[in-house]
Amino acid sequence: NAGVTQTPKFQVLKTGQSMTLQCAQDMNHEYMSWYRQDPGMGLRLIHYSVGAGITDQGEVPNGYNVSRSTTEDFPLRLLSAAPSQTSVYFCASSRRGINYSNQPQHFGDGTRLSIL
Amino acid sequence: RKEVEQDPGPFNVPEGATVAFNCTYSNSASQSFFWYRQDCRKEPKLLMSVYSSGNEDGRFTAQLNRASQYISLLIRDSKLSDSATYLCVVNPSNAGGTSYGKLTFGQGTILTVHP
Repeated sequence: NAGVTQTPKFQVLKTGQSMTLQCAQDMNHEYMSWYRQDPGMGLRLIHYSVGAGITDQGEVPNGYNVSRSTTEDFPLRLLSAAPSQTSVYFCASSRRGINYSNQPQHFGDGTRLSIL
Repeated sequence: RKEVEQDPGPFNVPEGATVAFNCTYSNSASQSFFWYRQDCRKEPKLLMSVYSSGNEDGRFTAQLNRASQYISLLIRDSKLSDSATYLCVVNPSNAGGTSYGKLTFGQGTILTVHP
């Protein structure tokens, strides 16, 4: 049981390049989320999904796209990388609880992304 | 006002001390509440869920005060290994009162336990 798997673990991009951060979970969790974490700040929600085919914006969605074609996968796409997107990115998943409430989230190891 | 606010600290305490963290949230309809810990450059890990009646897990006690909209975490008999950032996490609800998979994190409280 691998839990939440993120790839790559590290990436350096040039401004303007695009790339996709991969996230997969094998726990059959309904909910998945992407966060970014910057020094001195907590985790900020980028996009989240409550099930296959359903996504929604979080607090800081600009510059990022997501899709959820399967329950297992939730890739995050950077359309045109900017230095302001240099950050640590975490993917998380959780089971849907009673009345659609959140159960605790399981996090991937993170992707450390630098934009030059 | 931020949705979830924590005192960033840092808290520097000696081994064996008791330390308490508070966290306030702005959405009165919030449902699930959690405390996570995060070690340097690692992913956040669940420390404990917070229940209305309060709950305890070994040296850790969590309390929820819905009337005042705050959550607390008490750590007794601090260990060196407790040094970490503690994150308060809230599941806010929308106007309909139903939560849809969205969690909001506080900025974290840094704890350093020294010998």
